[in-house]
Amino acid sequence: GAVVSQHPSWVICKSGTSVKIECRSLDFQATTMFWYRQFPKQSLMLMATSNEGSKATYEQGVEKDKFLINHASLTLSTLTVTSAHPEDSSFYICSATGDREIYEQYFGPGTRLTVT
Amino acid sequence: RKEVEQDPGPFNVPEGATVAFNCTYSNSASQSFFWYRQDCRKEPKLLMSVYSSGNEDGRFTAQLNRASQYISLLIRDSKLSDSATYLCVVYKAAGNKLTFGGGTRVLVKP
Repeated sequence: GAVVSQHPSWVICKSGTSVKIECRSLDFQATTMFWYRQFPKQSLMLMATSNEGSKATYEQGVEKDKFLINHASLTLSTLTVTSAHPEDSSFYICSATGDREIYEQYFGPGTRLTVT
Repeated sequence: RKEVEQDPGPFNVPEGATVAFNCTYSNSASQSFFWYRQDCRKEPKLLMSVYSSGNEDGRFTAQLNRASQYISLLIRDSKLSDSATYLCVVYKAAGNKLTFGGGTRVLVKP
């Protein structure tokens, strides 16, 4: 149990376009979802926390107008990278937690974004 | 100063040997501690939680030293499949989030 999927697993897009990444909890209801970004050889950095039906809480330094997060249902959250630039190229990972403690997060397999 | 710091390595370990490495955290209010394992280009996976009394899971032993604010991970009888990046993760209720260290890379060689 506790499976989280992400789609797509990798995407290449042109600079200036927008990309949407989906995160789904397959066998549990995710009351809270988290979006992380990881640059090569660096740590996972939390971008934002989203609760179903409410606005996401963004970490300091993360542009909410650039990284649009929607958590419309208990099984789906989306991250849209708007007007992507090469510096947005990164590994984006989501995680989800249900009725357990926040630290018991289940991670998706990640989405590798390359902006050309 | 980073909130969670790790030696990035790599630690080159002969197969069958023991390897140990630490992680330091700066926030004394941190409440829970974990070691995650991350393979190249994959998501992190929980390896084990770390308890104050120390805990063991097979060949893996984790220790927590609250006074000095560090946690450690020891791997005995290293296997080739232990090659990965080990992430130190800290949770504190204030902020309600996980904070990841940069990871320690371990390479087990035959």
